[in-house]
Amino acid sequence: DGGITQSPKYLFRKEGQNVTLSCEQNLNHDAMYWYRQDPGQGLRLIYYSQIVNDFQKGDIAEGYSVSREKKESFPLTVTSAQKNPTAFYLCASSQRGQGDQETQYFGPGTRLLVL
Amino acid sequence: RKEVEQDPGPFNVPEGATVAFNCTYSNSASQSFFWYRQDCRKEPKLLMSVYSSGNEDGRFTAQLNRASQYISLLIRDSKLSDSATYLCVVNGLSGGSYIPTFGRGTSLIVHP
Repeated sequence: DGGITQSPKYLFRKEGQNVTLSCEQNLNHDAMYWYRQDPGQGLRLIYYSQIVNDFQKGDIAEGYSVSREKKESFPLTVTSAQKNPTAFYLCASSQRGQGDQETQYFGPGTRLLVL
Repeated sequence: RKEVEQDPGPFNVPEGATVAFNCTYSNSASQSFFWYRQDCRKEPKLLMSVYSSGNEDGRFTAQLNRASQYISLLIRDSKLSDSATYLCVVNGLSGGSYIPTFGRGTSLIVHP
């Protein structure tokens, strides 16, 4: 089955610790995205990548880092610099070249909790 | 000023009712528009695109008013299974790529 997988489903972070969230897609999509969702809030864009080995900051990139070494993978690291990391993290992908009808498909998400 | 605004609700309606949600956007250069559905503690899923001429998919109708910069979603004959949060999404062109902006969502509760 084609789709987007994220792991782990739940992740606990201690103070001062870096953690990495995994996102893998087998849809052969060029673009991948990371969002953060807080209760009662919309999705806020952290980072996005339109092509391998390239990525751009979104609206709330501070305290996060990403890499895009492979087309199918876009891991997100939540660093100790992110002071309020507790949130629901969603990864998405989309196929470029569809003009303004480019739509996103989401993974099931990772819930990050700070201990 | 928020780029994409939605009434958070909740809209609490009986089965069979018709309910409508609106969404306003501030960027007049916005290119394309979508409605997503998000169930509790799940990922968003595409419900439908929104075309200038308006479009319908079964019980769901989407409309776009570019002059007033709003989009709408109408749900007829509401089902219990329609209970969810509905997210308005606006795509804008940035650096050659279409980058979406999400609204906070409108919560719908359909009761028996």
